Amino acid sequence: DARVTQTPRDKVTEMGQEVTMRCQPILGHNTVFWYRQTMMQGLELLAYFRNRAPLDDSGMPKDRFSAEMPDATLATLKIQPSEPRDSAVYFCASEGGKDNEQFFGPGTRLTVL
Amino acid sequence: AQSVAQPEDQVNVAEGNPLTVKCTYSVSGNPYLFWYVQYPNRGLQFLLKYITGDNLVKGSYGFEAEFNKSQTSFHLKKPSALVSDSALYFCAVRDVFTSGTYKYIFGTGTRLKVLA
Repeated sequence: DARVTQTPRDKVTEMGQEVTMRCQPILGHNTVFWYRQTMMQGLELLAYFRNRAPLDDSGMPKDRFSAEMPDATLATLKIQPSEPRDSAVYFCASEGGKDNEQFFGPGTRLTVL
Repeated sequence: AQSVAQPEDQVNVAEGNPLTVKCTYSVSGNPYLFWYVQYPNRGLQFLLKYITGDNLVKGSYGFEAEFNKSQTSFHLKKPSALVSDSALYFCAVRDVFTSGTYKYIFGTGTRLKVLA
């Protein structure tokens, strides 16, 4: 069945390194969300796209984070340079229409040492 | 601004007993309300939603939720809890802007523990 995929599932890196997370939304879904989940902050919306155009990235630290959708089948979230406080699980979700629910990917667990 | 509150960090219930996970919301217009469940090391999974219509919404795995406009609540319920229902539950509301764009606001989550 159709599902959102994310790679990598786990990433351990050192402070200062660049991290790129990838998401493949469900085919035909035109809205893609990036979330970050931590124990302290819970689930936070970082950015979202509709028809590949960024609609809201107010939840994202602009100095080090960037999100793009190079095409309809790929969304990326990049952190450069990474910091220990970026350690979290990053989820991608896609949605097929305004009355529809979101479908979440399995997440990327990021650990920055 | 729209907001969602889940007043309980954790709910414990005995297997076979009814369960309720509470959610209250604050919206400026007609609310779009959702419940999601998260199992360990997994992404969130959709359970049910209220957009319009019948106040009692039925969803996956025997869950249901009642939309109560006067109390601004959308509590999740199940008549008979299973140990396998133990998970983290999130309530969410859709925040719609005048531009027509929207985003979701999630509650802080409630951990449900069903005891055998």
